[in-house]
Amino acid sequence: QQQVKQSPQSLIVQKGGIPIINCAYENTAFDYFPWYQQFPGKGPALLIAIRPDVSEKKEGRFTISFNKSAKQFSLHIMDSQPGDSATYFCAASMDTGRRALTFGSGTRLQVQP
Amino acid sequence: SAVISQKPSRDICQRGTSLTIQCQVDSQVTMMFWYRQQPGQSLTLIATANQGSEATYESGFVIDKFPISRPNLTFSTLTVSNMSPEDSSIYLCSVHRGSGAQYFGPGTRLLVL
Repeated sequence: QQQVKQSPQSLIVQKGGIPIINCAYENTAFDYFPWYQQFPGKGPALLIAIRPDVSEKKEGRFTISFNKSAKQFSLHIMDSQPGDSATYFCAASMDTGRRALTFGSGTRLQVQP
Repeated sequence: SAVISQKPSRDICQRGTSLTIQCQVDSQVTMMFWYRQQPGQSLTLIATANQGSEATYESGFVIDKFPISRPNLTFSTLTVSNMSPEDSSIYLCSVHRGSGAQYFGPGTRLLVL
């Protein structure tokens, strides 16, 4: 019930491509879905987040698509750049009670020049 | 957002010893968490650091091994006790904001020999 499943494990795209990372959750009590970007040697940085009452959210080149009925959400990176090469984690949490994050397994993205 | 610092940033320790990690936030926060990130893996919640009361530990983590203090709303410590090589990980503190967002510190990289 607490799991968040993330795919793919790794992804290689060319500069300008649109990598897509997918996550699925089981616990319908989750109501906050963030994405984190982590560079080697750094802590995870909050990239963008969405709540179940909207189906899409854009911030700059990053877009979250959310499908509440399928219990799935995905991250799209438009016009990807070599500087986007990092590990991306999806996560989920609840606004009440246990507010800690449950993380996906991570996706290592490489954007080739 | 939040400015979070951790000390030490990294350490190499001998097995059987203990290390205390400090987490300092630039403003008062209600909820603080400690996570572990094993090499090449995702983040796993160790415990919720509660101000004025005992920490709430996740399954698989116990107070004797990972004692936590939370003396005020801007500071917490995590001790890794009686260390073994299996404790080699990145230890991260995070804080929860009322908006639902959680922000992470830079992490403490621990190597146990």
